[in-house]
Order: sequence, then structure tokens, then C-alpha cells
Amino acid sequence: KAGVTQTPRYLIKTRGQQVTLSCSPISGHRSVSWYQQTPGQGLQFLFEYFSETQRNKGNFPGRFSGRQFSNSRSEMNVSTLELGDSALYLCASTLNEKLFFGSGTQLSVL
Amino acid sequence: SQQGEEDPQALSIQEGENATMNCSYKTSINNLQWYRQNSGRGLVHLILIRSNEREKHSGRLRVTLDTSKKSSSLLITASRAADTASYFCATDARNQGGKLIFGQGTELSVKP
Repeated sequence: KAGVTQTPRYLIKTRGQQVTLSCSPISGHRSVSWYQQTPGQGLQFLFEYFSETQRNKGNFPGRFSGRQFSNSRSEMNVSTLELGDSALYLCASTLNEKLFFGSGTQLSVL
Repeated sequence: SQQGEEDPQALSIQEGENATMNCSYKTSINNLQWYRQNSGRGLVHLILIRSNEREKHSGRLRVTLDTSKKSSSLLITASRAADTASYFCATDARNQGGKLIFGQGTELSVKP
């Protein structure tokens, strides 16, 4: 089985722009979670989707949003980018309570 | 806010030695998991221990859980240079609606 696929791998944006990140979970996995990882804050939970519904949400501003499609693929969107949004964004699909992570999207905001 | 706090933040040992990492958490949990991350990559699941279990083994890994102290430890025996990575504990807390909350991690360096 293919693993969790995240695209793109690297992204450079400027302040004020918006960005969309994509995640394809492992086939058959219906739950997708997103995390932001920075050196200072570590891994912070963004949100979780299950069967196209947001099931859990972290403490991030409304600029961060996500969605899940009927094929379980998920996207997250960040609008009005700030310098502090520079981070590794990790997506994970869930099976039997365990998370299976993609390699992440490294976002740099200049 | 972080549920898990890990100790030490960094650990440097020689190949063949054992490495022990500790994790403390704040609220009651359903389970606790350990993950490993190589630099700049995604995390890989290592082991899951439930709140009613005290010890679990997987290959060279041994995890203990003490719910009375709200702490867990991960022991890697006979470490190898390839074990060099960051190790994270993650808790599925009963008041967190099923989401996994990660600690800050321990950076392990195993020197050949």
C-alpha cells in the first residue's frame, strides 16, 4: 500500500498570500489529521477530519481551514500568510488509533 | 497546550549503550504512543500502550506506563547509529476528544 502523500514538498510564499496544501491518506483510512511543526512550539494539532466532517479542532486562528473530500483526500488552506506560519505541515491518516504520517510540506513565508 | 513533557530534551550516547527517554503528562489518558522522526521527515509510529497496561515490548524497544505518576518511559536497548532521531510521546487524553497531543520530543544522537 502507498503511504500518506503530501504535496507539495516545499513551498515558498510571501506575507499576505494564501496557500493550499494537499494530503492523500493511505487507501482505506478515513480519518486525516493535520499538525504544524515548528522548532519553538513543537507539534501543534490543527484539525482532524473523518468522513468529510471536521471532528476535532486545535487552537489556531480562522485563517487556518481544511476540508476532506469523499475519497478521503484532504486539503488545508492558510489565508493571509504571516511570517510565523513558516513551518513543517504534517498530515496523518489514522487506523486503529495509530497515526501514519506523510513527509510533510515545508512552508517558508518571506 | 502541550499534554506531554519529555525529558531529557537531548541525549547523546555511544553505539551499544541503552537510551532512556521519559514523558510526563497532565490528564487521564486512553493510551500513550511513541513516535520517531528523522530530521525534517514525517513521524513513524513505534508503540502504543493503553492506560490499563504497565509495560510493552517491541524488538529493542521497551515502554513502561505509570498512570499514578502520569509518566511513561521509552527504553531503546543496544542502540545503533541508525537510531539517531527525535522521539515523541503522544497522548490520547480522555478530555481531548480523541486527538493525539504530542510532547516536545527528545533528540537522540547515537555516536558510532
